[in-house]
Amino acid sequence: GENVEQHPSTLSVQEGDSAVIKCTYSDSASNYFPWYKQELGKRPQLIIDIRSNVGEKKDQRIAVTLNKTAKHFSLHITETQPEDSAVYFCAARGQYNFNKFYFGSGTKLNVKP
Amino acid sequence: ETGVTQTPRHLVMGMTNKKSLKCEQHLGHNAMYWYKQSAKKPLELMFVYSLEERVENNSVPSRFSPECPNSSHLFLHLHTLQPEDSALYLCASSQEADGTQETQYFGPGTRLLVL
Repeated sequence: GENVEQHPSTLSVQEGDSAVIKCTYSDSASNYFPWYKQELGKRPQLIIDIRSNVGEKKDQRIAVTLNKTAKHFSLHITETQPEDSAVYFCAARGQYNFNKFYFGSGTKLNVKP
Repeated sequence: ETGVTQTPRHLVMGMTNKKSLKCEQHLGHNAMYWYKQSAKKPLELMFVYSLEERVENNSVPSRFSPECPNSSHLFLHLHTLQPEDSALYLCASSQEADGTQETQYFGPGTRLLVL
């Protein structure tokens, strides 16, 4: 089955700096990669996603890049703000096992004011 | 925030108790999921129901028993749990169309403590 690894497990940045979180996956058939943000005590919420036919997607301060050859994808947050502090999860979904999402172990992002 | 609801939000039970977790989605989705979230571990997929039929059972111990009476409701029946089953149990739903699953929407979770 798929194996998703996420790094780093914790990330601390100064407000205004950029943050990058990286994930690798093992199944080359995976074709959909969402990112979720989970604030303390709250539910995971989708913040951005990318499909395998696209190399990059951007939504205001958030962007995701995908390298299918290397089987890794990254979340980029620019101009970080204290409210960006949360745990971020990446996930991968297989092309044929479309009900199954494999999640990374999460990155706790702390944005210091 | 009210698209997927879960009850109870917190649950403390002994190892000999029987309890049930409930999930309800108001989004018109046709697939529902149970996940287990433990500290410092990835979200673990437990069960998937698509069109009210179980399509995934991820080697979950039989002390966890899911039930999906209709496309809007999902239950997780618990009995003779172990302390290591203490975790946050998240329900999610999504809309399956032509073999592709779109975004999963999560409920707020049930924080379970097994004593």
